Amino acid sequence: NAGVTQTPKFQVLKTGQSMTLQCAQDMNHEYMSWYRQDPGMGLRLIHYSVGAGITDQGEVPNGYNVSRSTTEDFPLRLLSAAPSQTSVYFCASSYSMGSQTQYFGPGTRLTVL
Amino acid sequence: EDQVTQSPEALRLQEGESSSLNCSYTVSGLRGLFWYRQDPGKGPEFLFTLYSAGEEKEKERLKATLTKKESFLHITAPKPEDSATYLCAVQANTGNQFYFGTGTSLTVIP
Repeated sequence: NAGVTQTPKFQVLKTGQSMTLQCAQDMNHEYMSWYRQDPGMGLRLIHYSVGAGITDQGEVPNGYNVSRSTTEDFPLRLLSAAPSQTSVYFCASSYSMGSQTQYFGPGTRLTVL
Repeated sequence: EDQVTQSPEALRLQEGESSSLNCSYTVSGLRGLFWYRQDPGKGPEFLFTLYSAGEEKEKERLKATLTKKESFLHITAPKPEDSATYLCAVQANTGNQFYFGTGTSLTVIP
């Protein structure tokens, strides 16, 4: 099993550009989520999904869009990048929404100029 | 509001010097409390899940304990390879979200 994979590992954008961060898991997990990690702020939930076709907002959803067309993939779209979106982004998955182990991907370091 | 606070922010220990990390939480009904380890440039790695007050889990030099208001991660005779940031997270009974603390950065000096 590859676990949770994320691409790209690094990305630099200009303000106003859009892009998609990719996340995939091969563990047949129902629950997937996106976090951002900023110094002194901890991990904050952006969006999550409890299964294919079902998504919901987390703590900091503004400026981000998600969809879940398959169990394996959960891409995160930045619609119009802003410097405030400079962060490290982590995708995570778990077997179900309940108290289960979350497996995290290696992260994407995004810089918006 | 569900909240997680970790202390201290940073901790430096000599190799072999035991200590504890604290995670205090306020949540409207605890579904689970989680400890993770994060190495620089990597994603968090799961360590433990605790579900109810009085529960304890152990793994090598680490032991996690849980009360109704806080959790402790005890590190016994640490080694330099235990150096990392340790994250605490909680999940409430009422929602689907996990709430993370800001972490404790542990440095173990040989």
